[in-house]
Order: sequence, then structure tokens, then C-alpha cells
Amino acid sequence: EAAVTQSPRSKVAVTGGKVTLSCHQTNNHDYMYWYRQDTGHGLRLIHYSYVADSTEKGDIPDGYKASRPSQENFSLILELASLSQTAVYFCASSTGLGVYEQYFGPGTRLTVL
Amino acid sequence: GDQVEQSPSALSLHEGTGSALRCNFTTTMRAVQWFRKNSRGSLINLFYLASGTKENGRLKSAFDSKERYSTLHIRDAQLEDSGTYFCAAEAGGGSGNKLIFGTGTLLSVKP
Repeated sequence: EAAVTQSPRSKVAVTGGKVTLSCHQTNNHDYMYWYRQDTGHGLRLIHYSYVADSTEKGDIPDGYKASRPSQENFSLILELASLSQTAVYFCASSTGLGVYEQYFGPGTRLTVL
Repeated sequence: GDQVEQSPSALSLHEGTGSALRCNFTTTMRAVQWFRKNSRGSLINLFYLASGTKENGRLKSAFDSKERYSTLHIRDAQLEDSGTYFCAAEAGGGSGNKLIFGTGTLLSVKP
């Protein structure tokens, strides 16, 4: 069974609209991450969290908010979607202690029109 | 800032041949992961190394933290190996074990 799932798998949004991407993990991991990937680039970290009810900014947090209501769930929120936020978004989880391997979800393709 | 330089950006192989991908790091990294992005866009974990080498089937990876590089060797390439390969390094320290990704290698395996 997939341990990191994302929903939706793809979405088309309008400029200025609100978008929420959801991530759920069954790994019992403390750390969760949101990345975006643009064509021709590696993944870049947007936000991450190491405990429920707390989030941290990653390398490119502008235009995004994150929410970690529980250990299992981590959401990425675009309050006012923009064309530049068209990308594939990946969620990941890791223990963050000792073993650091990150396990990725299948990705969400977001198109902002 | 910390960077990961991945090469080559694109690679074409004939079935049955092999090659190596490489990532160089601008600073000492604690660990490295290698991924393959498949045709459906999902990231598949290939290896996680904190040191040394690991092998899995036709893939072998090495990581040298001191020399600041990692490699991924593919031998006897098959058509299904086609895809984009990423390395990602873990800087450690106060970074919350964030991964810094390379820009990817687009591998095309041809008959």
C-alpha cells in the first residue's frame, strides 16, 4: 500500500482562486515536506513540518501556506493562485531522526490558467 | 548556498549498454538519495546512502561525502529504464534534513 498519498492528482485552477493540495502519510513519520518541480529543474522545498500544528518555511515559501493538523496530514494552500505556480507538487515524509530517507507521494499536477 | 550539480543533463543509451550519472556537491552532505521519475510522473526511490556503495539489480550507487560526489551506474540498460533521474543531497545541520535536488538527467534507452 502506498504510504504517502496526495490528492488531487491533477487540478486546473483559475488565477486568483484558492487551491488546497492534500497529503496523507501512513509511515508514522514526524517530518513532512512539500516540494514543487518545474520542467527542467529539480525539486525545490516550499514548506516542511516536523510536528503537528507547526510548519516551517522552506526555500521558496512565497505565495504558499502550509497546514499540519495532524501527524498524518499536511496541506499546501495557495490563497491566490498565479500562473507562475503551475508545476508538479510532491509531498514527502521522513522520520527526521537517525534514518533520513524521504518517501515521496505520486505528485499533483497543478495548472493555473 | 548549498548546491547540487548533476550531469549529464541528458543521456541516450542503446539497450544492453551502460553509463554513469554523477552529482557533485559544493559542500559536505550528510547523505544522498537517487530517484527516478517514471512516465506517470511519480518519484521512485532508488537508493539512500549515508556512505559507501549500494547495489540493486542493474543499478549501483556510490557516495563519497569527503570528496563531495555521488554516482549512479546503470548497466545493461533496458527500455523501461527511460525516465528522468534525480539525485538529492541532505545537507544536515540545522536544515531539518532538507533535500537539495539536482536538476535531473533525462535518460532515453533505445532499441
